[in-house]
Amino acid sequence: QSVLTQPPSVSGAPGQRVTISCTGSSSNIGAGYDVHWYQQLPGTAPKLLIYVKSNRPSGVPDRFSGSKSGTSASLAITGLQAEDEADYYCQSYDSSLSAVVFGGGTKLTVL
Amino acid sequence: QITLKESGPTLVKPTQTLTLTCTFSGFSLSTSGVGVGWIRQPPGKALEWLALIYWDDDKRYSPSLKSRLTFTKDTSKNQVVLTMTNMDPVDTGTYYCAHRRGATDAFDYWGQGTLVTVSS
Repeated sequence: QSVLTQPPSVSGAPGQRVTISCTGSSSNIGAGYDVHWYQQLPGTAPKLLIYVKSNRPSGVPDRFSGSKSGTSASLAITGLQAEDEADYYCQSYDSSLSAVVFGGGTKLTVL
Repeated sequence: QITLKESGPTLVKPTQTLTLTCTFSGFSLSTSGVGVGWIRQPPGKALEWLALIYWDDDKRYSPSLKSRLTFTKDTSKNQVVLTMTNMDPVDTGTYYCAHRRGATDAFDYWGQGTLVTVSS
């Protein structure tokens, strides 16, 4: 059971907007620790999508954005494309565990 | 251009010690702010953070695995080495090393991963 809770799956049609939530607690997201998001395509290593709320590494389309409020964070994907079908993970730091923590992952299906 | 590559055994027996090496290029672990982490992923499951080593040799370990992990660096060879003792079948999975983006705990460059199977 992950410290950060994500929905197991989300889906959307091409062109639509989807959001993936990441719910934490007062010892991680709620304590102000940064949230980062990764995309993992089947059979490949994770790729950093969003770091420190809503910064995108070079090459990541602006269709991807992040936000944070209270003890939760969200990843939004607009203009959904077939190539976005992947697993998505959030990551933060937990002060009570003194550990980097990942969410359980969300599988995005493009209908 | 930053690259990382994991190497080590693909099969270990229960109770044995696993030693994984991460060889990297494009950055130096002696540069202030730099860090390298290990993350693993059991088949079909989520990512799990294992350990992080910083340029100043500060080390952080997953609390649940701390007693089994040792993380060292060889700056001259551009390598980091992770050892995990007392391996169990539940430790089966893909092990990744990754570069820590300076001043954050985000991992911006990842190795391809190496699959380790624990079985007798």
